[in-house]
Amino acid sequence: DGGITQSPKYLFRKEGQNVTLSCEQNLNHDAMYWYRQDPGQGLRLIYYSQIVNDFQKGDIAEGYSVSREKKESFPLTVTSAQKNPTAFYLCASSVGGRTEAFFGQGTRLTVV
Amino acid sequence: DQQVKQNSPSLSVQEGRISILNCDYTNSMFDYFLWYKKYPAEGPTFLISISSIKDKNEDGRFTVFLNKSAKHLSLHIVPSQPGDSAVYFCAARGAGSYQLTFGKGTKLSVIP
Repeated sequence: DGGITQSPKYLFRKEGQNVTLSCEQNLNHDAMYWYRQDPGQGLRLIYYSQIVNDFQKGDIAEGYSVSREKKESFPLTVTSAQKNPTAFYLCASSVGGRTEAFFGQGTRLTVV
Repeated sequence: DQQVKQNSPSLSVQEGRISILNCDYTNSMFDYFLWYKKYPAEGPTFLISISSIKDKNEDGRFTVFLNKSAKHLSLHIVPSQPGDSAVYFCAARGAGSYQLTFGKGTKLSVIP
């Protein structure tokens, strides 16, 4: 089955530690995205990548880093510089920029 | 400043009746609009989209209307079913942009 896989579903980390969230897709999509959702809020774009080895900052990129070494994979690292990292993180992909984005099931990150 | 606004945080509708979810936008560069449905702790699921060259798009029980002069779109669900109970997000994309801008969502409850 084609789709987007995010792992793990739940993640706990201590304050000050970096943590990497995994996102893999087998849809052969060129574009991939990372969004963050907070309670009562819409989805806010962190980073996106149009092609391999290229990525762009979204609206809230501070404290996050990404890489796109393979078409299928777009991991997100939440660094210790991110002031409020506890949130629900969603990865998405699309054929290009002019089509709908398909989302993974999300990773809930809790920093204690 | 919110560019995509969903002013109703919640909506309750009787099963079998019509659900109307509204969305307003401020950025005149947006030319592609999407609706997503989301259950708690899951990723959003794409429902329906509309390009700015159209004013209506239908897919089964779901119809999206776009009023460009008013910068307003709406999602109609007819007839509403209990399984439609979820949070609905409106999203918009500008010409040539990969970024989707989301509203804060409207929680729809369909009462049996």
